[in-house]
Amino acid sequence: SQTIHQWPATLVQPVGSPLSLECTVEGTSNPNLYWYRQAAGRGLQLLFYSVGIGQISSEVPQNLSASRPQDRQFILSSKKLLLSDSGFYLCAWSVHPLEDTEAFFGQGTRLTVV
Amino acid sequence: KNQVEQSPQSLIILEGKNCTLQCNYTVSPFSNLRWYKQDTGRGPVSLTIMTFSENTKSNGRYTATLDADTKQSSLHITASQLSDSASYICVVSAFAGNNRKLIWGLGTSLAVNP
Repeated sequence: SQTIHQWPATLVQPVGSPLSLECTVEGTSNPNLYWYRQAAGRGLQLLFYSVGIGQISSEVPQNLSASRPQDRQFILSSKKLLLSDSGFYLCAWSVHPLEDTEAFFGQGTRLTVV
Repeated sequence: KNQVEQSPQSLIILEGKNCTLQCNYTVSPFSNLRWYKQDTGRGPVSLTIMTFSENTKSNGRYTATLDADTKQSSLHITASQLSDSASYICVVSAFAGNNRKLIWGLGTSLAVNP
């Protein structure tokens, strides 16, 4: 069966520090991978998606970047965190494009920038 | 502007009771509609996904209905349990030019009390 791992679960980082969140999927090949952010009182916002190794599409311009160094690994990064980067970050995967099929989400990372 | 609006914003019911959550959308044209359950501090889990041609779909004690003419969907929970306490999010997959995108509602927060 397929599983998705996302870590860390919680993170407190000072403003200006770097960020690296990792997500891995097991039990499937060539998944579509996604990073979402969920801010308080707001719906989920798609940040990045990837349909293959090294292929990254950005949905919104921001202080963050994503990379896919391996087929089932998706990394969310920042060189210098801003207070506005605080939020709940979710990694997800799907077999087909997300708009056509259900997505499977990780447990999320609660990021607090102080 | 595409929008997905959910009501009520929050709801408290007693264990064993039924409840119905509402989702109204203005998305057009529309591909599919899904309902997710999100426990506090966790990632969303898919409950149902319906295309425009389906008007009802069940998943255990959860039954979703869709009226594509009035652009309304509902999620009915039967014989509620304490574990049903969560946020329920309505998501619509919309056509945007040659692409599609998911539009997330803000969710209904359900509390089931003993």
